[in-house]
Amino acid sequence: SQTIHQWPATLVQPVGSPLSLECTVEGTSNPNLYWYRQAAGRGLQLLFYSVGIGQISSEVPQNLSASRPQDRQFILSSKKLLLSDSGFYLCAWSRRNRPEAFFGQGTRLTVV
Amino acid sequence: RKEVEQDPGPFNVPEGATVAFNCTYSNSASQSFFWYRQDCRKEPKLLMSVYSSGNEDGRFTAQLNRASQYISLLIRDSKLSDSATYLCVVNMPYSGGGADGLTFGKGTHLIIQP
Repeated sequence: SQTIHQWPATLVQPVGSPLSLECTVEGTSNPNLYWYRQAAGRGLQLLFYSVGIGQISSEVPQNLSASRPQDRQFILSSKKLLLSDSGFYLCAWSRRNRPEAFFGQGTRLTVV
Repeated sequence: RKEVEQDPGPFNVPEGATVAFNCTYSNSASQSFFWYRQDCRKEPKLLMSVYSSGNEDGRFTAQLNRASQYISLLIRDSKLSDSATYLCVVNMPYSGGGADGLTFGKGTHLIIQP
């Protein structure tokens, strides 16, 4: 069966510090991968998605970047965090050409 | 107009009762529809897909009305463990077939009371 791992579960970072969140998927090959953010009182917002190694599409202009160094690894980064980057970050995967998304456990990021 | 709209609730329902909530979507060309469940401070989990013919999974029934552009979720014989936020999710037609076209509603908060 397929599993998705995301870490860390919680993170408190000062403004201006870098960020690196990692996500890995097991039990499937060539998945589509996604990074979402869920801010308090708001719906999930798609930040990035990837259909293959090195292929990243950005949905919104922002202070974040994403990379996919391996088929089943997806990384969310920032060089300098802003207060507005606080939120619940979720990694997800889907089968190629399938719309159902399956989420990791999420990282709750607080920028102070 | 918001793409996917849900009543945020909360819906306070006694245990054993039947509860239903709807979701409306704005793009008539939307192709796929889902209900996800999200527990407090947890990730969303796929509850069920919504098919044109409607579908049922145990105590849960989902229906799609394309003419009126809404989907519904019915929960029968509600359990305390059904307390959660239910997210309506619509796959927009501009996507390449993957999940990049998913648009999430903000969710309906359901509280089942003993």
